[in-house]
Amino acid sequence: GAGVSQSPSNKVTEKGKDVELRCDPISGHTALYWYRQSLGQGLEFLIYFQGNSAPDKSGLPSDRFSAERTGGSVSTLTIQRTQQEDSAVYLCASTLAYFGETEAFFGQGTRLTVV
Amino acid sequence: EDKVVQSPLSLVVHEGDTVTLNCSYEVTNFRSLLWYKQEKKAPTFLFMLTSSGIEKKSGRLSSILDKKELFSILNITATQTGDSAVYLCAVEFASGNTPLVFGKGTRLSVIA
Repeated sequence: GAGVSQSPSNKVTEKGKDVELRCDPISGHTALYWYRQSLGQGLEFLIYFQGNSAPDKSGLPSDRFSAERTGGSVSTLTIQRTQQEDSAVYLCASTLAYFGETEAFFGQGTRLTVV
Repeated sequence: EDKVVQSPLSLVVHEGDTVTLNCSYEVTNFRSLLWYKQEKKAPTFLFMLTSSGIEKKSGRLSSILDKKELFSILNITATQTGDSAVYLCAVEFASGNTPLVFGKGTRLSVIA
């Protein structure tokens, strides 16, 4: 596609349920990042995939969060046993190389609401 | 269609110069406009603007929003080589299907 695509756009879930968020990066982009933005706050880094290297998971807030990137393309972010503090906009970005060194393309985000 | 347009796309200045980066938007359900500096791993949050005409300032950086004309500017005075980066503008929505839309960014290069 022409840009980074995220789905769903909105997700309302009950506390304790698991959710999966999807990111389709731009074709050919080797790097993929997941971020979280709480209401009015800056972007919080979650996880980073670069090619076939082991992902950088240093930003994941708890072991309830995990992410996969299959075939170097599509990525899914999974949140298990969701809590109300998980409510945020989850953003995905992809780049050709490393963030900060080349243009990054952002998806439009998934707004997650845990009730 | 909601969109955020930044200009210029790139800019080269000398240290000490003052620069103005522009962000215009056409969106519905506007909540806030956000400025970021794109850096390693994650963009650095600079400003969040929700009200027209109120300047926000942080050191050499300042920003203001015009909700009537639908644009914001980011000013950097006395630029330094460390200011070299891509500056991103994003609009946050109050409701609807789209949480956030980013502009393409302005690449600023500050040369000594």
